Amino acid sequence: NAGVTQTPKFQVLKTGQSMTLQCAQDMNHNSMYWYRQDPGMGLRLIYYSASEGTTDKGEVPNGYNVSRLNKREFSLRLESAAPSQTSVYFCASNRGGTGELFFGEGSRLTVL
Amino acid sequence: AQSVAQPEDQVNVAEGNPLTVKCTYSVSGNPYLFWYVQYPNRGLQFLLKYITGDNLVKGSYGFEAEFNKSQTSFHLKKPSALVSDSALYFCAVRDGNQFYFGTGTSLTVIP
Repeated sequence: NAGVTQTPKFQVLKTGQSMTLQCAQDMNHNSMYWYRQDPGMGLRLIYYSASEGTTDKGEVPNGYNVSRLNKREFSLRLESAAPSQTSVYFCASNRGGTGELFFGEGSRLTVL
Repeated sequence: AQSVAQPEDQVNVAEGNPLTVKCTYSVSGNPYLFWYVQYPNRGLQFLLKYITGDNLVKGSYGFEAEFNKSQTSFHLKKPSALVSDSALYFCAVRDGNQFYFGTGTSLTVIP
C-alpha cells in the first residue's frame, strides 16, 4: 500500500519563487495535515483539513496556502518563498475518531 | 491549549539495558496520547497510543508506554534496547482534529 505520498522529495528555490507541494493518500482518510519540521522545534502544524471542502490554520500558517482538491489530495503552496521556509515538510492523514496520524516520507525544501 | 513536553533532547543507553524516553502532557479533559519514531530521512512511524483503559500500552517493536494521570506523564519504555532502536522519538497529544508534538528525543543505543 502506498499510504501517504508526497512530491517532490527535494526542492531548491530562490527567494521569491513559488511552488506547490503535493500530497495524496489512498486510505480513504477524512483528515489531512501539513507539518514542518525544524531542528529543536519538533513538528509544527501549518494547515489541516478535517474533511473534504474544509481547511483550517494551524500554529504557523503565515506564508502558506492550502487546497483540499478532493478527499485524496491536499496541496501546500508557497507563493513567495523566504529563507525562513527552509524546512522539511510532512503531510499526514487520519481517519478520524481515535485514529493515529499516518505520515508521508517528507519533502526537503531549501530556499536560497 | 493542549501540549506535550519531552524534557530530554538526548538519551543514551547501552544495548541490552532498559530504556525510557520521557513525556509529560498538559490537557483539559481526557488525553489522547501517541508515540512516534523517526529514522533518518524518513517520515514518522506510529508506535502506540493511549486512548482509555489500561495504563500500560503495548506497541510496535517491543515498545510500551505507561500512562500516569497523577503525574501527567506518558513515558515510552522498552525492557532491552537494540542498536536498531537508535532514532528520534516524538510524543504527541490530540486535541479535537489537531495533533500537537513534542520537540523530540534523540535515542542512541550504544553497542
